Amino acid sequence: KNEVEQSPQNLTAQEGEFITINCSYSVGISALHWLQQHPGGGIVSLFMLSSGKKKHGRLIATINIQEKHSSLHITASHPRDSAVYICAVGIYGNKLVFGAGTILRVKS
Amino acid sequence: GAGVSQSPRYKVAKRGQDVALRCDPISGHVSLFWYQQALGQGPEFLTYFQNEAQLDKSGLPSDRFFAERPEGSVSTLKIQRTQQEDSAVYLCASSPGPGNTIYFGEGSWLTVV
Repeated sequence: KNEVEQSPQNLTAQEGEFITINCSYSVGISALHWLQQHPGGGIVSLFMLSSGKKKHGRLIATINIQEKHSSLHITASHPRDSAVYICAVGIYGNKLVFGAGTILRVKS
Repeated sequence: GAGVSQSPRYKVAKRGQDVALRCDPISGHVSLFWYQQALGQGPEFLTYFQNEAQLDKSGLPSDRFFAERPEGSVSTLKIQRTQQEDSAVYLCASSPGPGNTIYFGEGSWLTVV
């Protein structure tokens, strides 16, 4: 079993839809990261959180430490949100263990 | 530069050739990481530096892989006698220190033919 599991693997949404991507992990963590990767390889850090909830624009990330679960929500989705979204957990210091990613496609 | 810079962006190597991949982290960042990302998969940890000290190299897949950061700034990942299974994107990331946001480079795409 992978230490970090993401679902769904692939997600197609219509523009404007509310999107949720889930992440479950099985190890003790120092922090959880949500990352965005566009074709071409560049990775951008969206959130780093260790408790509660964070919001940035149309993006919201939540984490439940007891349940070892996090969600990334995108409100009013747009085609430019199309990317791979990766959940990664910090297991000590900044060493990250990555999920396999969720491929999101938002159609106009 | 403003971000993490990696070079070359693209490299095609013949099997058996040695390659060197360079990472320029954000100035002043203490932590530096190398990750390997195979096609369609999430990144896998290779190694971690804190300043010039290589604190963790547990992810290096074989003794053909070697990384250094001699002055605590620029880092080089060297792969000797490349094999086809080494084909991947090699991502470098840096951070001001443990517990801080991590910044990724664009990656070096290595194809071994």
